[in-house]
Amino acid sequence: NAGVTQTPKFQVLKTGQSMTLQCAQDMNHEYMSWYRQDPGMGLRLIHYSVGAGITDQGEVPNGYNVSRSTTEDFPLRLLSAAPSQTSVYFCASSQDRTGRGNTIYFGEGSWLTVV
Amino acid sequence: GQQLNQSPQSMFIQEGEDVSMNCTSSSIFNTWLWYKQEPGEGPVLLIALYKAGELTSNGRLTAQFGITRKDSFLNISASIPSDVGIYFCAGPDTGRRALTFGSGTRLQVQP
Repeated sequence: NAGVTQTPKFQVLKTGQSMTLQCAQDMNHEYMSWYRQDPGMGLRLIHYSVGAGITDQGEVPNGYNVSRSTTEDFPLRLLSAAPSQTSVYFCASSQDRTGRGNTIYFGEGSWLTVV
Repeated sequence: GQQLNQSPQSMFIQEGEDVSMNCTSSSIFNTWLWYKQEPGEGPVLLIALYKAGELTSNGRLTAQFGITRKDSFLNISASIPSDVGIYFCAGPDTGRRALTFGSGTRLQVQP
C-alpha cells in the first residue's frame, strides 16, 4: 500500500454531520478512485478521476462529493452522513488505464461508522 | 455497469487442502484480476490475466482466464493458515476506467 495515504483510519459520525476523507498519492498517478466496501458486497465504485480537474460518478455516488484540484489529492466528502454510509472506504490510484491491473495501488482503508 | 458473480461465498478448509474459486460475468472482460484482502488492510493484487486462455501462477496460486472471456478461476494448492482472507476477482469497467469487483470468497483455514 505504499504511496496511497488515507486519513482518518477510523471515524464515528452522528447522522447529519459532514466530513471529508482524505486521500493522497505521491506517485504522480493520473487515475484515482474511491470505493466503499460493505459485508458480502465486495468493493463498489463511488467516484473516480482521470486527472486534475476531472471527476465522474461511479456505481454508488449519492451522498458523496469529490474534487481533484491537484494530481496528488482526491478527497471524498460526505455531505450529510447517514447510517447507510457506515462502511469501509478505500482510495486507489493507478498509473494508467486500469486494463493493466498491476499498476493499481490501494490505501489501507478508512472505517466510518455513522450513528 | 458490469457485474461479477463470485463463488463460493465462503470456504472453511483444513490446512493442506486445495482450494478453487471462480468468477463469472455476463459480459466480456479483457483483463481479469485476483486480489486478496486481509483483515484491516486494503486489497493486494495476486495475479493479473490479460489474454483468453492464459494460465498464470504465483507460488501456490494459479489463475486462468476463461476462453469465453466471461470467467476466471483461482486455485490455491496445499493451503496454509496465512491463506486466510477474502479473495476478490476484479476487472476493468471499460466505461469508467476503474475496477468492478466480485463480492469475494472468504477463506478460512484450520491448522
